[in-house]
Amino acid sequence: NAGVTQTPKFRILKIGQSMTLQCAQDMNHNYMYWYRQDPGMGLKLIYYSVGAGITDKGEVPNGYNVSRSTTEDFPLRLELAAPSQTSVYFCASSYEGINYGYTFGSGTRLTVV
Amino acid sequence: SQKIEQNSEALNIQEGKTATLTCNYTNYSPAYLQWYRQDPGRGPVFLLLIRENEKEKRKERLKVTFDTTLKQSLFHITASQPADSATYLCALATGSARQLTFGSGTQLTVLP
Repeated sequence: NAGVTQTPKFRILKIGQSMTLQCAQDMNHNYMYWYRQDPGMGLKLIYYSVGAGITDKGEVPNGYNVSRSTTEDFPLRLELAAPSQTSVYFCASSYEGINYGYTFGSGTRLTVV
Repeated sequence: SQKIEQNSEALNIQEGKTATLTCNYTNYSPAYLQWYRQDPGRGPVFLLLIRENEKEKRKERLKVTFDTTLKQSLFHITASQPADSATYLCALATGSARQLTFGSGTQLTVLP
């Protein structure tokens, strides 16, 4: 099993550019999440989804958008990139029951210059 | 305001000793709490989950306690090894969609 796959692993964007961070899971998890992690800080929830067609905002959604057209894919869109969006982005997925932890991807390191 | 605090950003211990990491929280009433391990340049890896009605959970050399009165969880690694060196994150379930709120982590270094 591949688990949670994130692409790209690294990206440098110029201020004002846009990009999509890809996330795919092959575990048939209904729940999916996007977090960002800044140095020395905890993971902050950006958006989450409880199933195809359903998304909701997390703690820090401004400047981002998501869609969930299939169970497998949960892309994160950055519009008009800003230096404050320089961070490491992690996608995660989980089963619905409370006995399960999250499975995380390996992350995308994004720098906005 | 809601807050999750993990003890000291860095903890150094000698190989073979027990490492104890602390997670304190305020203004939350979590149904359960989770612990993750994160290595440099990698995503967090799930280790253990403990529910609010459980006092203690064990998995091999790992032990987690959860005291909802003190609003505290302790994470123990017994007979620690250099390979246990990593950052350990605690996380609380805070929403209907099982959204996790994470602490900033404790960086553990086990010295040979």
